Amino acid sequence: AQTVTQSQPEMSVQEAETVTLSCTYDTSENNYYLFWYKQPPSRQMILVIRQEAYKQQNATENRFSVNFQKAAKSFSLKISDSQLGDTAMYFCAFMPLLIAGNQFYFGTGTSLTVIP
Amino acid sequence: EAGVTQFPSHSVIEKGQTVTLRCDPISGHDNLYWYRRVMGKEIKFLLHFVKESKQDESGMPNNRFLAERTGGTYSTLKVQPAELEDSGVYFCASSHGTVYGYTFGSGTRLTVV
Repeated sequence: AQTVTQSQPEMSVQEAETVTLSCTYDTSENNYYLFWYKQPPSRQMILVIRQEAYKQQNATENRFSVNFQKAAKSFSLKISDSQLGDTAMYFCAFMPLLIAGNQFYFGTGTSLTVIP
Repeated sequence: EAGVTQFPSHSVIEKGQTVTLRCDPISGHDNLYWYRRVMGKEIKFLLHFVKESKQDESGMPNNRFLAERTGGTYSTLKVQPAELEDSGVYFCASSHGTVYGYTFGSGTRLTVV
């Protein structure tokens, strides 16, 4: 069974500061992808960043970066220079590379508030 | 390119009533997925269409839920009769079929009272 755990239901950060959202997962699969999705209030969920499990180098997208520790099954998201528009619900997600499906397994989400 | 459209955005119904949610995927996306998030819990997979065929419906909670995808275009998810535990946000997503091609809709918030 695949599970994703986000242990921080709510977090806040001062504008321009850095914040790290934690995520751990459990799987027996060897080939998979990891993702962070963001859902602003009443808006659609959008992809923030993704990581292929076979890559050792941590993914980076502008102010967003991950710390991927495969042995520990940990996949945290760091947001640098936080902006008001970063206020959203953040979901960590796992996708095993099965032959059929390609469905996501999500965590419970972390609600992030950026304080002006 | 238009995104994935879901409607209604909100629905409040009484227990025992029927509700139908609709999802319009991105044109040309053969894969369509339904997910659900019950308040405070994780987003869970419900089912996956490839064109008009159900590829995987292992996440459907029970036979009160019926999903269809007409002609491989839009999809509907009907809940009949609705129960209190069906409350939550229902997300739809579509993709070309690749890992990177997923696009989610904004979700339908269903409240059963």
